[in-house]
Amino acid sequence: KNEVEQSPQNLTAQEGEFITINCSYSVGISALHWLQQHPGGGIVSLFMLSSGKKKHGRLIATINIQEKHSSLHITASHPRDSAVYICAATHSGGGADGLTFGKGTHLIIQP
Amino acid sequence: NAGVTQTPKFQVLKTGQSMTLQCAQDMNHNSMYWYRQDPGMGLRLIYYSASEGTTDKGEVPNGYNVSRLNKREFSLRLESAAPSQTSVYFCASSSRTGWETQYFGPGTRLLVL
Repeated sequence: KNEVEQSPQNLTAQEGEFITINCSYSVGISALHWLQQHPGGGIVSLFMLSSGKKKHGRLIATINIQEKHSSLHITASHPRDSAVYICAATHSGGGADGLTFGKGTHLIIQP
Repeated sequence: NAGVTQTPKFQVLKTGQSMTLQCAQDMNHNSMYWYRQDPGMGLRLIYYSASEGTTDKGEVPNGYNVSRLNKREFSLRLESAAPSQTSVYFCASSSRTGWETQYFGPGTRLLVL
């Protein structure tokens, strides 16, 4: 079974700071997902990537397949970015039961 | 376009009672999923349905049953609720299993006393 580890578990930063959240996984994958869970509980998919880098607004996701590692970056962080960020990996065998979730990183951006 | 909807939003049950959580999607997705989320743990897959007419067990299926009623609807049933089933339940859908982006419902908070 694929293990997905996220770090840090908790992160508090000041508005405007550059944020990095890390995700590592134990076996080969076909896709890596980043999700955002709002304080109200809703979950939104931010990115799905299998190689390289993707950017959406102030969010950037990168993946290094050889090192089995992905990062989520937030530039010019804002209090509205406060949320739990979840990494999930689809292992190379695919299938719904191939999606393994990390425990999440709780991010707080203070004004 | 509502996306994925779930009912109810919140429910309190006594041990031994039964209930059904409802989920519907309007995105014409083939695959649907039920997850539970507990404090300090990641999302865990309970059951999924790769396509209409099929269902399969996930990581934590014990104590649950599911029905894929049609392409839009996927329900989760607790036949005899236990306190260990206190959790937040999320339904999700995707165009197909595995590699596609999943879209999540708002969640159902269940408390079993």
